[in-house]
This record gives sequence, C-alpha cells and structure tokens, in this order.
Amino acid sequence: QSALTQPASVSGSPGQSITISCTGTSSDVGSYNLVSWYQQHPGKAPKLMIYEGSKRPSGVSNRFSGSKSGNTASLTISGLQAEDEADYYCCSYAGSSYVFGTGTKVTVL
Amino acid sequence: QVQLVESGGGLVKPGGSLRLSCAASGFTFSDYYMSWIRQAPGKGLEWVSYISSSGSTIYYADSVKGRFTISRDNAKNSLYLQMNSLRAEDTAVYYCARSTINWFDPWGQGTLVTVSS
Repeated sequence: QSALTQPASVSGSPGQSITISCTGTSSDVGSYNLVSWYQQHPGKAPKLMIYEGSKRPSGVSNRFSGSKSGNTASLTISGLQAEDEADYYCCSYAGSSYVFGTGTKVTVL
Repeated sequence: QVQLVESGGGLVKPGGSLRLSCAASGFTFSDYYMSWIRQAPGKGLEWVSYISSSGSTIYYADSVKGRFTISRDNAKNSLYLQMNSLRAEDTAVYYCARSTINWFDPWGQGTLVTVSS
C-alpha cells in the first residue's frame, strides 16, 4: 500500500486560509468516506482534527474543515493562526489496513 | 481523562525481539479497538497493526506481518506489541492509539525503538 500523496509544505499569513490536499486511489480514499486528519507539533503525539472526511471532534476549532472529491481529500484551515504551524497527516481506511499521507508542513509566515 | 502510556522501547540488535506495552486509563478499554502506529525519525506516520475490542479481529501492515504480534488484556487495560526479527527499518517511535474504523484518538506519547548493532 503506497502512502497517500500530500504537498511537502504549505504556507500562509495569519488570517489567511490554506488547503492541504491528500491524493489516494480508488482502493482507499476513493472507496471509503473514512479519511481522517492529524496535527502534529514537533516532539508531540499526533492529534485528531477531522474524521469521516469532514467531521470535527469536540474541542477542535471550527477553523478546520475537511472535504473529499473522488480520490482526493482536502483539509482547509481558515483564519490561520501561529499555533496552526505544525505537520499535518491524512489517513484513509483501505480495507483491512490503513494508509497515511506523506505529511505536510504548514508554516505561518 | 483518557490516557495512554507506552513503555518497553529501547535499543535492540538486528534480529532481536522487544515487547511494547500500552497502559490505558480514563475509558472503558474493552469497548474499543486499539492500534499501533509508528514514526521513523524525521519521517511520516505508518500504521502498524489494529486489534478489535475482543481481540478476535487483527490486521497488520505488510511490512510487519509475520514478525509482529498485537495482543491485549482487557482485564489489565493493556495493549501489547511483540516485535520479533527486528530490522534497522523498524527503528521508530511507536504510538498506541484508541481506535474506531473512523479515527485514531487519542495517541500515547510514544516509545522509541532503536534497532542497531
């Protein structure tokens, strides 16, 4: 199972919106509405931000939103803040297995 | 609050074995699936294994199949990962995470496994 493809880096200024793409195949992202997104700050454990493509867990800011079209899922961060600077990973169920994305480093300029 | 604490990591020689543990608290452990996910130094996340709440359903990544064994003890609120025939490429921080088919949440703080001669 190959890793899902994400851009290596995305940047934006405070207050702007950015979008991170996550491209898979018809065997993972395209087949299931089971994409989740995780935020990881340096030296810390990942944190769940989005699940089932677009649902936010309790406590996660509504500045984070998710969507999916075909084999590509997306995470949008609106009103970018300094604390959003981190690595972000998508993950998809792939039928008896899971595959993570390559990861995207978000930089707040 | 929900808490997961991994232990058992360390330095091991290629071909050696190690057993990781994950102690769970703050939730009904026996109600949830559990997973192991790893992260090589400076690299991305890689799903390793998944076990159902009763232990009857288990999945492994192809990269560890036949070498790693996941198990759980619901009476002790504990998850385990027995790792045999370790290779240099198994060097990583290993996280346990509470799971459903939809998500991994939360994650423990991780335990570092280093495979080196």
